[in-house]
Amino acid sequence: EPEVTQTPSHQVTQMGQEVILRCVPISNHLYFYWYRQILGQKVEFLVSFYNNEISEKSEIFDDQFSVERPDGSNFTLKIRSTKLEDSAMYFCASSEMAGTASSTDTQYFGPGTRLTVL
Amino acid sequence: DQQVKQNSPSLSVQEGRISILNCDYTNSMFDYFLWYKKYPAEGPTFLISISSIKDKNEDGRFTVFLNKSAKHLSLHIVPSQPGDSAVYFCAAISAGGTSYGKLTFGQGTILTVHP
Repeated sequence: EPEVTQTPSHQVTQMGQEVILRCVPISNHLYFYWYRQILGQKVEFLVSFYNNEISEKSEIFDDQFSVERPDGSNFTLKIRSTKLEDSAMYFCASSEMAGTASSTDTQYFGPGTRLTVL
Repeated sequence: DQQVKQNSPSLSVQEGRISILNCDYTNSMFDYFLWYKKYPAEGPTFLISISSIKDKNEDGRFTVFLNKSAKHLSLHIVPSQPGDSAVYFCAAISAGGTSYGKLTFGQGTILTVHP
């Protein structure tokens, strides 16, 4: 069964360093997303991406964050200068479609990358 | 952001009995709802969904009910099994407007099924 994959599973970095989190969405999906979950809190939407551009972003997704689809398979999240409060689980997700209010909108999640900022 | 609420942080059920997990929402623009199951240190796993034009959707042991007038949905698991023990998240999407698939999650309910 197709699945979303993410690398690395765990990333430890120093405050102020840049990190890149990688995702391979399900191959026939067109919409890609990043979410995060800070320990003990809700899963929060960061950004959605379609047709090589950002469709929507949350207030969390400030200038320190960027996303890219550098080739036909990978989808990346870059944090330019990490802060302590960026420590969280980061989940990538993908869906066939968006905006149809039907099963093609269903988002499938990867296993996550645990980011620890020291 | 309290647009999706799961008011029960935990639920404990005996194996073989029914588990009922509840979710309330406030945004009337939500028109597609999903339930995810999550184990520690793993990503959310999709379970079942329902469109706002329906009031019930069933898939094996899992049934989701939607009451639009009450802005309430529930997930029924019958019969419950110990392997169902996990955190269950309710999530909602507004398909219209400028929201391109943004999922809004509830806080989650920890389900424990005892043998």
